[in-house]
Formats: sequence, structure tokens, C-alpha cells
Amino acid sequence: GEDVEQSLFLSVREGDSSVINCTYTDSSSTYLYWYKQEPGAGLQLLTYIFSNMDMKQDQRLTVLLNKKDKHLSLRIADTQTGDSAIYFCARGAAGNKLTFGGGTRVLVKP
Amino acid sequence: NAGVMQNPRHLVRRRGQEARLRCSPMKGHSHVYWYRQLPEEGLKFMVYLQKENIIDESGMPKERFSAEFPKEGPSILRIQQVVRGDSAAYFCASSPQTGQGANGYTFGSGTRLTVV
Repeated sequence: GEDVEQSLFLSVREGDSSVINCTYTDSSSTYLYWYKQEPGAGLQLLTYIFSNMDMKQDQRLTVLLNKKDKHLSLRIADTQTGDSAIYFCARGAAGNKLTFGGGTRVLVKP
Repeated sequence: NAGVMQNPRHLVRRRGQEARLRCSPMKGHSHVYWYRQLPEEGLKFMVYLQKENIIDESGMPKERFSAEFPKEGPSILRIQQVVRGDSAAYFCASSPQTGQGANGYTFGSGTRLTVV
């Protein structure tokens, strides 16, 4: 299987919380990242977490890391229509490169 | 402070032609990375360069693809004799000394290559 895996699709109502999940196999990563990609655009870094942390909160975003299970999640509180996008998790790999998941397409319904 | 600049935004090539994609890193960034995104997929690492040096090209196809980051000017990703399977979005990212953590990687808006 792939090194970094994500579910393909998430539908959520405006105002609800979204939770996007990611699993990975290589435990040697020092940093794990969440990126957002809007249609036709590049990738925007949303947040990152260092591998010795369990949780990081940044305004509406909460990242949870379960290192034992190699599971990363991104929670978006009070989801807005502008949050509709593809969300990629990525892990920092050796040699300064990133390994990405396949992306989760989030659709926010009014 | 301009971000990572990629051009062209869209590129159409016929099979067998050459494609040249350009990337100017952020000011002060000396490391450049190229990633490819096939339709409906995530980004796959291709190559990592510093000025005048290829550091890691483990993700580059063995034939037809090459990359450079000269002392002066942008980084160039060159694809010779393009085939339909090369159609993808090609993203460039740059970073300062190390791309991990708070410094992160700054991505350009990508070049969307279509081979007809």
C-alpha cells in the first residue's frame, strides 16, 4: 500500500466540524503537515506538527497525532463554504522531501 | 516579497515535442523541489536541487526528464519527447536551508501540462 493514506471524500454541513484522517507507515518522520489545495491553485500550508507532540491548535484548526497508531487528523471547527478544497497530509521524509497522501476532497454544503 | 513563481501556468505540447517548465524560488531560498500531480492523485516527489547541484533525483523518470538550477536564473524542468502520460500538474516548491517545520516549503501555483 501507499506510505501515506487518506480517505477520498468528506461531505459536511456548513457550521459543523470536519475531521480529515490520515495514516502513514514510516515512523521516522520528524514533521507532519496539512496542506490545502483549491481548484487550479497550488498548495497552501495550513499547519504542521512535530512528531513529539500529540496535539496542536491554531484558531479553527486542531491537529491530533497518535504516533503509536501512526494516525494524524485535522479537525476544522465551524466549517465554512470557503473550506471546500482538497486537503493533503504529508510527512517530512529523509533528505528534505515530502511524501503526500492522495488527498481528501472536502465538500461543504450550505 | 513574491512567492514561488512558476511559468507558464498552462502549457500544451504535441506528442514528441519538448516541454520546459520554469520555477523561480522565493527570495532567500536556495533549495528547490519539483513534484508531479497526476489527475485525481497526490503529489509525487521528483527532484531536489540546490544551486548548480542535484541533491536527490530519486523520483525522476530515468529517461526524457531532466532538471537544473543554474547559478543565475530559474530552475528548469525539461521533458523531452513528451507523451500523453506526461500530462499532469507540475509543482515547484522552495525552502531555506532546511524545509522542515516552521520554515516549511512554499509551493508555486504549478504548471499544468497537457500533451495532445
